[in-house]
Amino acid sequence: EVQLVESGGGLVQPGGSLRLSCAASGFTFSSYWMHWVRQAPGKGLVWVSRINSDGSSTSYADSVKGRFTISRDNAKNTLYLQMNSLRAEDTAVYYCARDYYDGYLFDYWGQGTLVTVSS
Amino acid sequence: EIVLTQSPGTLSLSPGERATLSCRASQSVSSSYLAWYQQKPGQAPRLLIYGASSRATGIPDRFSGSGSGTDFTLTISRLEPEDFAVYYCQQYGSSLRRTFGQGTKLEIK
Repeated sequence: EVQLVESGGGLVQPGGSLRLSCAASGFTFSSYWMHWVRQAPGKGLVWVSRINSDGSSTSYADSVKGRFTISRDNAKNTLYLQMNSLRAEDTAVYYCARDYYDGYLFDYWGQGTLVTVSS
Repeated sequence: EIVLTQSPGTLSLSPGERATLSCRASQSVSSSYLAWYQQKPGQAPRLLIYGASSRATGIPDRFSGSGSGTDFTLTISRLEPEDFAVYYCQQYGSSLRRTFGQGTKLEIK
């Protein structure tokens, strides 16, 4: 059974940093692109970042470019999102998601971790 | 960037009724790279439909997708109590095509 379990969310002050993790199991993690998608309270889904299967290629939404860094450790079956210079508008539930075929189609999602940026 | 507009914003129906949800794109969606997701309160989204009309693994056949070009539809033939949720459409296929619609809330009448 495919499982994605996020952790690392919490309350952080504006300008602060946080590192999210997503532990994967039940599939060959190293074969799949992975993504982070976020959802602000009461709002819709917004794609944040993507990393290819071996970690050599990444991409970001304009809103987080230069502040967030996606990475992965295929030996540990874990995806990461390093978030720096956090802003109030980054407050959201962050989901990790598996890419079905390297085309931004998300076939499995974690349960999400809440990040709150507030003083 | 292609913008996806879903309608209606909220749909109020009773169990057993048929639901029709719409997703309209501002430009043609290539090769019908259009997906639908279901999200229940406090839960992660779940992939329902991809390729505009293919059901994902384990999705009941009361869910069906149709459409091409700029107009797409998700139909739930007979609503079950567990179907009341928010539904999102999404275009996919490349770094230039990965946006979601704003969602349609399907609520119990």
